[in-house]
Amino acid sequence: EAGVAQSPRYKIIEKRQSVAFWCNPISGHATLYWYQQILGQGPKLLIQFQNNGVVDDSQLPKDRFSAERLKGVDSTLKIQPAKLEDSAVYLCASSPWGREWGGDNEQFFGPGTRLTVL
Amino acid sequence: DAKTTQPPSMDCAEGRAANLPCNHSTISGNEYVYWYRQIHSQGPQYIIHGLKNNETNEMASLIITEDRKSSTLILPHATLRDTAVYYCIVRVASSGSARQLTFGSGTQLTVLP
Repeated sequence: EAGVAQSPRYKIIEKRQSVAFWCNPISGHATLYWYQQILGQGPKLLIQFQNNGVVDDSQLPKDRFSAERLKGVDSTLKIQPAKLEDSAVYLCASSPWGREWGGDNEQFFGPGTRLTVL
Repeated sequence: DAKTTQPPSMDCAEGRAANLPCNHSTISGNEYVYWYRQIHSQGPQYIIHGLKNNETNEMASLIITEDRKSSTLILPHATLRDTAVYYCIVRVASSGSARQLTFGSGTQLTVLP
C-alpha cells in the first residue's frame, strides 16, 4: 500500500515570496491533516479536512496561509507572503473515517516538506 | 486533551530494553494514552495505545499505572533504528470529527552501539 506522498521535499524561498505544497493521501482515507513542525518542537495542526470540507482550521494563520482539497483527495497548502518564522517542516497526514482509532486506523504521515525562508 | 510530561532525552544501549516514561496526571476516564515516534527526516509513526490495561504489539509494550497517571513505553530490544523522538499523547479515542493529535516536545531516544 502506497503511503502519503508530499512534494516538494525541500523548498527555499525569500521572505514575501509565495510557496505551495502538495499532498496525496493514502487511497480511501477521507480525513487529511496539515501540520507545521518548527525545529525542536512537535508538529502543530494547521488544518483538518473531512473529504473536501474543513473540519478545523482554528490554528491556520488565515492572513497568509490557505489550503484546499477540492475533489476530496489531493490537497495543497499555500503561504503568501512567506515570513521568516514560516521556516519549518510541513507534514501531511491522512486517516480513515468513521472507525475507532488505533493500529491501521491511526494517522499516517508523509515525509514532509522542509521550507526555508531567507 | 490532558497534557503530558516526558524527559527531553534518554540514551539506551543497543540490545537492551528502552523504557520511556510519560506523566499524565490530569488524564480523564475516557482518554487513552497513545505513543508515536518520529525518526529523523520522517513523519511521525503510530506505535501503540491503551486505556488502562497493559498492551503489547510487534513494536512495543505499554505499561499504564493503576491510577493511570503515568505510563511507560518499552522497546524490549532496542536497535540503532529505534533512535527517534518519542511522543506520548493523551486523547479521547473518538471516531468523531475531532480526531486530532496534540504533540508535545517528546523524548529524544538515542540508541548507542
